[in-house]
Amino acid sequence: EPEVTQTPSHQVTQMGQEVILRCVPISNHLYFYWYRQILGQKVEFLVSFYNNEISEKSEIFDDQFSVERPDGSNFTLKIRSTKLEDSAMYFCASRSGPRVGDFGSGTQLSVL
Amino acid sequence: DQQVKQNSPSLSVQEGRISILNCDYTNSMFDYFLWYKKYPAEGPTFLISISSIKDKNEDGRFTVFLNKSAKHLSLHIVPSQPGDSAVYFCAATYSGNTPLVFGKGTRLSVIA
Repeated sequence: EPEVTQTPSHQVTQMGQEVILRCVPISNHLYFYWYRQILGQKVEFLVSFYNNEISEKSEIFDDQFSVERPDGSNFTLKIRSTKLEDSAMYFCASRSGPRVGDFGSGTQLSVL
Repeated sequence: DQQVKQNSPSLSVQEGRISILNCDYTNSMFDYFLWYKKYPAEGPTFLISISSIKDKNEDGRFTVFLNKSAKHLSLHIVPSQPGDSAVYFCAATYSGNTPLVFGKGTRLSVIA
């Protein structure tokens, strides 16, 4: 069964460093999302991407964040200068039809 | 601003009994509701959904009930099994392409 894959599963970085989180969505899906979950809190929407552009973003998704679909298969989330509060589990999701998204297993980002 | 609320952080149920997980929402624009199940170190997995035009949707052991006037939905699992032990997230969306808004989750423990 096709699935959303995310790499790496864990990423440790120093505050102020750039990180790139990678996702390979399901191949025939058209809508792509990044969510994150800070430990003990709810899953929060970051950004949605459709037709090679951002379709919606939350207040969390500030200028430090960017997304790209560089080659038609990968979908990346870049954080330019990480902060301690960026430590979270980051989930990529994709969908083809309305409503239901398939989620990846997540990347646990730890900013020291 | 909690548009989707799951007020019970945890629930313990005996194997074979019914598990009832509750969710309330505040945004009357929501017209589609989903339940996701999450195991540790994995991404959320879609479980069941319901459109606002219905008040019940059933899939095997899982039934979701929607009470629009009360802005309340519930997930019933019967009979509960130890493998159902996980965190259950309620999520809501509207107009097809908007991102999911999640609750904080309820940790279900099914005791053998």
